[in-house]
Formats: sequence, C-alpha cells, structure tokens
Amino acid sequence: GAGVSQSPSNKVTEKGKDVELRCDPISGHTALYWYRQSLGQGLEFLIYFQGNSAPDKSGLPSDRFSAERTGGSVSTLTIQRTQQEDSAVYLCASSRTSGGAETQYFGPGTRLLVL
Amino acid sequence: AQRVTQPEKLLSVFKGAPVELKCNYSYSGSPELFWYVQYSRQRLQLLLRHISRESIKGFTADLNKGETSFHLKKPFAQEEDSAMYYCALSGLLGNFGNEKLTFGTGTRLTIIP
Repeated sequence: GAGVSQSPSNKVTEKGKDVELRCDPISGHTALYWYRQSLGQGLEFLIYFQGNSAPDKSGLPSDRFSAERTGGSVSTLTIQRTQQEDSAVYLCASSRTSGGAETQYFGPGTRLLVL
Repeated sequence: AQRVTQPEKLLSVFKGAPVELKCNYSYSGSPELFWYVQYSRQRLQLLLRHISRESIKGFTADLNKGETSFHLKKPFAQEEDSAMYYCALSGLLGNFGNEKLTFGTGTRLTIIP
C-alpha cells in the first residue's frame, strides 16, 4: 500500500513568511510524528500525535511552531515568521499504534529553505 | 534524558571486510533500540530493532545493557551497504508512552570496491 506522503517536497520562502507542511500518514496508523533533520543537528523530534491529540510537544523549538491533526489522519506543521535557522528537512512518520516498540515509517520529507 | 551517541561520522570499509557501526545510549528506563538506514535519494527506513532479534541484509545488533551499547555488525560488507545509518532509541516513560525516537547523529558508511 501507499507509504507516508508529504507535501510540498521542496519549499523556498522568505524570512518572516509563514509556511505549512503537510503529512499524510499510512492509512489506519494512529500515531504520527514530526522530526527535523538539519545539518549539524541530526534528527530531532518535534511533536507526536496519538489520534488527534498531541501528548508530547516537547520538541517544538519555539512558539512559532505548531501542528495539528484532524480526523486522526492528515497533519499540518505550521511555522510562523520563518527564520533562516528553520531551514531543514522536515520528516513525518507514522506507526500502527503508539508504543515504544512500534516501527515508525517515514515520509520522503519536505526540504525547507528560508532565504 | 535520553541520548544516543554514534562516535563515527564517517566509516570506510573495503568490500568483503567486516563492518561495525558503534552506538551507545543513555536512558533511565527500559529502552527499545533501532537501527534506521537512509540510502542515497531514498527515505529513512527501519533496518532492524533489537526486540525482533533478527538479521536483516546480513546485519545484526546485540543490545548490551551493561555497556549500554547497540552496535551494528555485518561480517562481509557489500557495495550496496553504502548509506547513512542512524541508531535510535525509544521507551516507555511517565504516564504516557514516550514513543518518540531519539536519534544519534548518524554514521555515513562507504564500502570501497
């Protein structure tokens, strides 16, 4: 079946603009995760959804970052007033259920460049 | 706090030689350990996880709780093993599942023909 999809695949924006990144998880997966992959920082956790609720937002770097998930499916990560340090690849992953041993399946990522 | 350390950013190995990618972790609870791999122009994908005790593409990894290590090994490297490898940890902590993955910084493995 279809894997995790993300859009857009690339986004170039000007500093100060808002951006929205979309993630479509594998059908039936209840858990959804956002990570950020940047040079020198590796892969960092941002936020985790179980269904529509987000029990763990601990990785969001500032209040400019927010995410929502509606209908237990698609999720949107919003970055307001983007800064150059927000440039990174944003990865989404989903898993069948929540649980530390569950395999997370990753999307192809959205490459964000803030000029 | 949970932490994963991969001491080698780059590792080059000749084809047919043994490979070992090191991973050490720090975690106060009971960890679940994973190795993820990212081949060129492909998405990040699971290679193996310790709970399954399986061998994938000839790779194995043993969880050593005494040394807090989860090194990835393969006896004979192949050219198609060239990729970026990430060690990752998750676990159960607190009142809800702490299922997020904490990744190491990754090791880029290059197999020399």
